[in-house]
Amino acid sequence: GENVEQHPSTLSVQEGDSAVIKCTYSDSASNYFPWYKQELGKRPQLIIDIRSNVGEKKDQRIAVTLNKTAKHFSLHITETQPEDSAVYFCAATHNNAGNMLTFGGGTRLMVKP
Amino acid sequence: ETGVTQSPTHLIKTRGQQVTLRCSSQSGHNTVSWYQQALGQGPQFIFQYYREEENGRGNFPPRFSGLQFPNYSSELNVNALELDDSALYLCASSPGMRDRVSPLHFGNGTRLTVT
Repeated sequence: GENVEQHPSTLSVQEGDSAVIKCTYSDSASNYFPWYKQELGKRPQLIIDIRSNVGEKKDQRIAVTLNKTAKHFSLHITETQPEDSAVYFCAATHNNAGNMLTFGGGTRLMVKP
Repeated sequence: ETGVTQSPTHLIKTRGQQVTLRCSSQSGHNTVSWYQQALGQGPQFIFQYYREEENGRGNFPPRFSGLQFPNYSSELNVNALELDDSALYLCASSPGMRDRVSPLHFGNGTRLTVT
């Protein structure tokens, strides 16, 4: 089955700096990679996703890159703000697995004012 | 448009008991998935239902079972509760087809504590 590794487990940045979270996956058939943000005591919320037919996707301050050959994908947050502080999860799945996401272990991002 | 709603929000049970958790999917969504999130970890897939049929199962024992109803709402049942079942149980819905990936929308979860 799929295995997703996520690094780092914690990340502390100064407000305004960039943050990068990296994930690797094992199943070369995986073709859908969402990122979720989970604030303390709240539901995971989808912030961006990418499919394997593109290498990069951007939405305002958030971008995701995908390297299918190396089987890794990354989340980039620019101009970080204190409200970006949360736990971020990457995940992977493929069409034949429906919505059975395999999640990484999570990254706790702390943005210091 | 209402989002995914789960009940109850919190639950305390004793080891060996049975529990039923409920989920109402987002309007227009016909696929429901259940995930278990232990403290400090990522969610783990339990199973998924598409049009009232189980459409995939993760590495969970048979004492974890579920149902999906004609209105696409769903239940998660856990029998013979164990201490390790203590976790946040998340329900997610999506508008997808059974073999096509679509974004998941999560509910706020049910926090289950087994003592």
